[in-house]
Amino acid sequence: EAGVTQFPSHSVIEKGQTVTLRCDPISGHDNLYWYRRVMGKEIKFLLHFVKESKQDESGMPNNRFLAERTGGTYSTLKVQPAELEDSGVYFCASSQVRTSYNEQFFGPGTRLTVL
Amino acid sequence: AQKVTQAQTEISVVEKEDVTLDCVYETRDTTYYLFWYKQPPSGELVFLIRRNSFDEQNEISGRYSWNFQKSTSSFNFTITASQVVDSAVYFCALSEALLYNQGGKLIFGQGTELSVKP
Repeated sequence: EAGVTQFPSHSVIEKGQTVTLRCDPISGHDNLYWYRRVMGKEIKFLLHFVKESKQDESGMPNNRFLAERTGGTYSTLKVQPAELEDSGVYFCASSQVRTSYNEQFFGPGTRLTVL
Repeated sequence: AQKVTQAQTEISVVEKEDVTLDCVYETRDTTYYLFWYKQPPSGELVFLIRRNSFDEQNEISGRYSWNFQKSTSSFNFTITASQVVDSAVYFCALSEALLYNQGGKLIFGQGTELSVKP
């Protein structure tokens, strides 16, 4: 069974540009999460989808970040325009709805560098 | 508010030493889950263990063991006879237990970077 995949693995862009990150969850997982780790700090929650609906977007830093999950399959996270402080590693995770213990499976992350 | 603290930023040991990674958490929930994840140099987060708040039994898996103590809000992780392959960043995390399996977010600690030298 394929795990969570993320694309690209690395992205280097200039301040003011737009970047779109993609996450493909494990097949059959309705929960999809985005997290971010900035400069060696803790991994912080960004938002949570249940199928195509946003269940919790309390961690989204500002309106420069837009997440979508059309059709309840893969998700994209767009940063527009990117700022220097957006640099970090963006992780995606997925889990099944029908588990009480919420084991989340993580992708390898996308390392974003904003110059 | 929920919070996880991993006070040790970096630990360096020599192979075969035992090492304990500390994790202290804060939550007002009576039901919750605690996790440990490993992030090797390759970058992905690898699930190691899950413990629910009603199960305070310690767990051992090979060279890994976990000590959960509700009285001190701690969930410490010990690696016995460490090996070079154990070098990684280790994250402790907390999640609330939602009634309808909606899958709550994980609250992570800052991570502890473990370096095991030969």
